[in-house]
This record gives sequence, C-alpha cells and structure tokens, in this order.
Amino acid sequence: GAGVSQTPSNKVTEKGKYVELRCDPISGHTALYWYRQSLGQGPEFLIYFQGTGAADDSGLPNDRFFAVRPEGSVSTLKIQRTERGDSAVYLCASSLRGGWEQYFGPGTRLTVT
Amino acid sequence: DAKTTQPTSMDCAEGRAANLPCNHSTISGNEYVYWYRQIHSQGPQYIIHGLKNNETNEMASLIITEDRKSSTLILPHATLRDTAVYYCIVRVDGTGGFKTIFGAGTRLFVKA
Repeated sequence: GAGVSQTPSNKVTEKGKYVELRCDPISGHTALYWYRQSLGQGPEFLIYFQGTGAADDSGLPNDRFFAVRPEGSVSTLKIQRTERGDSAVYLCASSLRGGWEQYFGPGTRLTVT
Repeated sequence: DAKTTQPTSMDCAEGRAANLPCNHSTISGNEYVYWYRQIHSQGPQYIIHGLKNNETNEMASLIITEDRKSSTLILPHATLRDTAVYYCIVRVDGTGGFKTIFGAGTRLFVKA
C-alpha cells in the first residue's frame, strides 16, 4: 500500500513569509508525528497527534509553529514569519495507534532565504 | 526519556557482521529500546525494538544486556546498502503513543 507522503518535496521561501507543509499518513494510522532535521543531526521531535488532537506539542520551538489534523488523517504544519533558522528537512511519520513502528515520509526540504 | 550514547561512526567490511553498540544506563523499567536507520536523503526506517529479551527479525538482531544498561544491534551480513546512520532510542510505549527523541546516531560505513 501507499506509504507516508509529504508535499511539497522542496520549498524555498523568503524570510518573513508563511508556509504550509502537508503530510498524508498511511490510511488507518491514528498517530502522526512531525520532526525537524538539520544537516548532520538526528530528527528533532516537534509534535504528536493521536487522532485529531495534539497529544504532545512540547517540541514546537515557538508560537510561529502550529500544526493541525482536523479530520484525523492529513496534517498540515504551518510556520509563520519564517526565519533563516527554520531551514531544515521537515519529516512526518505515522503509526498504528502510536505503536512500535513509525513509518516516515521522505520529508519536505524547507529553505528560507 | 532516557538518554542514549552511541559511537559517532563505524566501519564494516561487506559480508561481515556489523555490531552497533548503544549505552542507555539510565533506562527505566518500562522503557523499550528501539533502533531506526536513515539512509542518505530518506526518512528514518524502523529496524527492531525490544524490552529485555533478545529479538531477531529479517533485518537484524537486538541483544540487550541483563541489566538493560546497554544493547547491540547486529546486522549479520552487512551489504553496501546498509551504509546509513543508525539511531538507538529508548522510549516508553503505550496505546497513546509517546514522543521519540533521536540522538545523533552512529554513521555506519560498509566497505567493499
């Protein structure tokens, strides 16, 4: 079946602009995670959804970052007033009821100029 | 979640076993040991997990010491395609799911 998909694969934006990154999880997976990965580092947890609700958003760096999952499937990570330091690969993962194995998407590479 | 310590990089000859160590001396009784790997330009891929017993699947074996303070991931016959960054993670699990903290991992180079 289809894996986790993320769009766009690449996004270049200017400092101060607003961006939205989309994640389509595996059908039936109720748990969804967002991570951010900078070059040479491991993925950094941002937020975790169980169904429609954000069960843990402790990794969001500040209030410019926000994520939604209104119908418990597709999720959107929203970044306001982007800064050059936001440049990274944003990874999404889903799992069955938050179980053992997280399935990762290919990521969205965000570049803020 | 407990912290893990892994070597920064390791080399392995193709066809030989790759043994990747991980220290997690502050692990709690209800924390599982997970391994993921990340091949260049791809998202991480789940490999294996365990609580206290040794585990084996089609990808690898996981050996956990009796005191659970360390573990070793074994790739029995490494291939060039196994070149990747390998992450050892400890986390609590439940039906609600819990956040996963990745460290810097071990960069494994498999050489012909």
